Amino acid sequence: EPEVTQTPSHQVTQMGQEVILRCVPISNHLYFYWYRQILGQKVEFLVSFYNNEISEKSEIFDDQFSVERPDGSNFTLKIRSTKLEDSAMYFCASITNGAGGELFFGEGSRLTVL
Amino acid sequence: QQQVKQSPQSLIVQKGGISIINCAYENTAFDYFPWYQQFPGKGPALLIAIRPDVSEKKEGRFTISFNKSAKQFSLHIMDSQPGDSATYFCAASITGNQFYFGTGTSLTVIP
Repeated sequence: EPEVTQTPSHQVTQMGQEVILRCVPISNHLYFYWYRQILGQKVEFLVSFYNNEISEKSEIFDDQFSVERPDGSNFTLKIRSTKLEDSAMYFCASITNGAGGELFFGEGSRLTVL
Repeated sequence: QQQVKQSPQSLIVQKGGISIINCAYENTAFDYFPWYQQFPGKGPALLIAIRPDVSEKKEGRFTISFNKSAKQFSLHIMDSQPGDSATYFCAASITGNQFYFGTGTSLTVIP
């Protein structure tokens, strides 16, 4: 079964450091997403990416965040200067096309900012 | 503004009982309503989904009931099992756009 893979599974960083979370979406998918889930809370939308550009972003996705698809397979989320409140699970997700198909999530990357 | 409201926050059900989780939405442009199941330490996984042109969809023990006029939809888990213990999220989307998630329901099925 196809799957979205994410690395690292857990990263601990000091406040103010840059972090890059990596994702490999399912190969034939066209839309890519990053979601965030603070422990015990709901899944929050960060950003969607289509055709090599951001298609939509939330208020959470401020100037400290950026996304990139550096090659044909990887999709990255960069946090330039991490804050304590960035500690969360970050989920990458992808979908075949925009026709309401299944959104596949990765296993998540747990970010802990000290 | 919370696009999708979910209740209850937590639910405890006896094995064999029926679990019911409810969601309500505001945006009438939503045209896809999935339910996701999440186990601790895992990403959400699609359980079942419905479009607004039908009022009910059943897959095994899982049923979505959809009330377009009330802008509500619910997940029913029949014959609930301990293995169903997880967090369930409803969601809504407009085709091609972001998914809005509910706040989640923690379900515990006791033997």
